[in-house]
Amino acid sequence: GDSVTQMEGPVTLSEEAFLTINCTYTATGYPSLFWYVQYPGEGLQLLLKATKADDKGSNKGFEATYRKETTSFHLEKGSVQVSDSAVYFCALMDTGRRALTFGSGTRLQVQP
Amino acid sequence: NAGVMQNPRHLVRRRGQEARLRCSPMKGHSHVYWYRQLPEEGLKFMVYLQKENIIDESGMPKERFSAEFPKEGPSILRIQQVVRGDSAAYFCASSPPNSVSGGSGRGINEQFFGPGTRLTVL
Repeated sequence: GDSVTQMEGPVTLSEEAFLTINCTYTATGYPSLFWYVQYPGEGLQLLLKATKADDKGSNKGFEATYRKETTSFHLEKGSVQVSDSAVYFCALMDTGRRALTFGSGTRLQVQP
Repeated sequence: NAGVMQNPRHLVRRRGQEARLRCSPMKGHSHVYWYRQLPEEGLKFMVYLQKENIIDESGMPKERFSAEFPKEGPSILRIQQVVRGDSAAYFCASSPPNSVSGGSGRGINEQFFGPGTRLTVL
């Protein structure tokens, strides 16, 4: 079945540091890939997505590239801010399905 | 445009009681999804509904759990005879009909999530 594996947290960084959160996936079809962010006490918000191989999703300075050869969708940001502190979830939606399959989440803590 | 609404935000039940969780999708959305998040885990898909129809319930436990999305009113996730293992955060998401782009240009795949209901079973 489908699965998503992402690096365990918490990830603690200083402001303006470079961020990478690794995500790899297993899917039977040709999935779309997503990164969601969850701020404390809130629901998940879509951060970015990519629907086919080599697509790059980007939003608010975050980027992720759909790498079919390595089945990966790593999240990156060049310079993090305190306001980026949240839990980040990698997810996929496989071909012909509407259900999202999520990774376990990575908590990011950015210190001033 | 109000987002996805869930209530209650917090629900406490004793073992054996029933829990009813409500979800009002975004205006114009006719597809609803329920997910469960156990402590320290990611979200797990439970069920996908359209108005008056269950489309995919592959993630629903076989017993005690049911879901509906009536023609009028919110979607309801019902858990009968709750046990401690049901304690979790339950998230609802909605998406527009297939023929609509979603307004943001992101296409039909985007699911908009509510704030969740945190169920505690004593």
